[in-house]
Amino acid sequence: SQQGEEDPQALSIQEGENATMNCSYKTSINNLQWYRQNSGRGLVHLILIRSNEREKHSGRLRVTLDTSKKSSSLLITASRAADTASYFCATDEWNTDKLIFGTGTRLQVFP
Amino acid sequence: GAGVSQSPSNKVTEKGKDVELRCDPISGHTALYWYRQSLGQGLEFLIYFQGNSAPDKSGLPSDRFSAERTGGSVSTLTIQRTQQEDSAVYLCASSPGSGNYGYTFGSGTRLTVV
Repeated sequence: SQQGEEDPQALSIQEGENATMNCSYKTSINNLQWYRQNSGRGLVHLILIRSNEREKHSGRLRVTLDTSKKSSSLLITASRAADTASYFCATDEWNTDKLIFGTGTRLQVFP
Repeated sequence: GAGVSQSPSNKVTEKGKDVELRCDPISGHTALYWYRQSLGQGLEFLIYFQGNSAPDKSGLPSDRFSAERTGGSVSTLTIQRTQQEDSAVYLCASSPGSGNYGYTFGSGTRLTVV
């Protein structure tokens, strides 16, 4: 089963613009994570935000978490063509110790 | 090793044959996970190993699927009597433990059943 739903499913922007992706989930969580996937193979961990945190930054990435709305957003600022990839949110469900992944957002950044 | 290693990277097999997929996690990582991803889809959880605890097999789609982890390190995912719907990329990941850790993924095995 899939816990998270990303929105939008696909996003196309120009280099230099900001990209915002949203994730909604259904159950109580321990933490929420964002991953990037290039070319349909291995995923790369980007950032982890714990359930008691509201915002976290890592370089050009900014993640927010609203546990009351069961939602998170990933903002990529000043996007680059190299940011083109699929982005997935994943939730570490309470007391299950495994990540459940969302459906992903395909981001295309045009030079 | 420096990362999670999976082999083979690609596997083409005939319907009805058995296949074995291998995952070599990062040394010292106690948690190991298998997922599969069909074309253009999200990741589907299959099975999770944590230390010496009994594995969480709740995601295995049928009894044709099994996995083991020997000595707390290398894991093998076995699919018996493969079907065309088993065609997917099988991804392995490891983490230092359960809880607030990110996963390190391997590059996956692309399985094609013809």
